[in-house]
Amino acid sequence: EAGVTQSPTHLIKTRGQQVTLRCSPISGHTSVYWYQQALGLGLQFLLWYDEGEERNRGNFPPRFSGRQFPNYSSELNVNALELEDSALYLCASRGQGPDYGYTFGSGTRLTVV
Amino acid sequence: SQQGEEDPQALSIQEGENATMNCSYKTSINNLQWYRQNSGRGLVHLILIRSNEREKHSGRLRVTLDTSKKSSSLLITASRAADTASYFCATDKAAGNKLTFGGGTRVLVKP
Repeated sequence: EAGVTQSPTHLIKTRGQQVTLRCSPISGHTSVYWYQQALGLGLQFLLWYDEGEERNRGNFPPRFSGRQFPNYSSELNVNALELEDSALYLCASRGQGPDYGYTFGSGTRLTVV
Repeated sequence: SQQGEEDPQALSIQEGENATMNCSYKTSINNLQWYRQNSGRGLVHLILIRSNEREKHSGRLRVTLDTSKKSSSLLITASRAADTASYFCATDKAAGNKLTFGGGTRVLVKP
């Protein structure tokens, strides 16, 4: 069974640009979560999608947005990039039921210069 | 904001020794989970303990949960060099909602 896949693995963008990160959950998982791990700030919750709907959003500005497609894959979009957006962006999916842990992808390392 | 705080922030031990790290959290939870992260890559789920459980084992891992003190501990027995990683606790207030992570404990196991 394939795990959670994220693309790209690394990218470098210039301040002010826009970026799209992609995530494919484990087959059968309908929930996708996005987290930001910036140096010194720990793992911060960004967005939760389930069945194509945004279910919850972390304390991030509106220039962080996303969507979930009918096949449950997801995109995270960040507009007007700022230097402090440099971070590892992690996507996770989760199976149904209360006793399932989350399966994380390997992340996308975004560097804003 | 971080739900939990982990203690210690860093831990250095010899191979074969046990490693213990603690996690405290602030609000009521549905479950608490522990994850491992190697070299700033993806997180690996280690173990989940429900709010009505007090102790759980998985291989060389032992997790305890004290909901009255809002704290948990992770014990890794007979540590190996491959256990070198950052370990995070994460709380789930309502199953499937979102995880809130602690700041993590960096563990170095010296051969």
